Amino acid sequence: QQPVQSPQAVILREGEDAVINCSSSKALYSVHWYRQKHGEAPVFLMILLKGGEQKGHEKISASFNEKKQQSSLYLTASQLSYSGTYFCGTDISGNTGKLIFGQGTTLQVKP
Amino acid sequence: DGGITQSPKYLFRKEGQNVTLSCEQNLNHDAMYWYRQDPGQGLRLIYYSQIVNDFQKGDIAEGYSVSREKKESFPLTVTSAQKNPTAFYLCASRIQGRSNQPQHFGDGTRLSIL
Repeated sequence: QQPVQSPQAVILREGEDAVINCSSSKALYSVHWYRQKHGEAPVFLMILLKGGEQKGHEKISASFNEKKQQSSLYLTASQLSYSGTYFCGTDISGNTGKLIFGQGTTLQVKP
Repeated sequence: DGGITQSPKYLFRKEGQNVTLSCEQNLNHDAMYWYRQDPGQGLRLIYYSQIVNDFQKGDIAEGYSVSREKKESFPLTVTSAQKNPTAFYLCASRIQGRSNQPQHFGDGTRLSIL
């Protein structure tokens, strides 16, 4: 049931772009994206709901393909502050708010 | 400011001992969740509660117990039956009943065995 994230890790230079994918074997009601710095709590980035929408948050955006049960997170013109581990959380129940998290993608942005 | 408070930040458990992790929120959220995170791993759900006096097991509930006597509070007890309790524990809450609402996380409790 755990969604699969790819890649597991990525190293970028400042200003480069990255894509993080999240793939589920179950039908999804929504996908939630979080970023976590080492030793800290996850910070909410965005939610993608059923309907295949795409959302943006400054230079970070995401898409959700309901039919393929996949979501992708796009980071453009990366900044040093983007470093951390990105998790997707998938909602397969629709009413409990219970999320199943992927194993995470570690992003390191270098100067 | 509203938020979620977890305490203590660090906790040490002796063998055979039960320990309780505190989670308090003043966001007026109905739903609360407990996750366990191991190094380099994602978050795994231990227990969750959608309403006071009711809670459900998550994926890894064995060796843990919870209570939900008040809306604001959702304490987690790590019992002696949990043989490998060393991990980072995160509590979260959200508005219940709306799929477009995120979970908000506390700062976590790091539990280690003495």
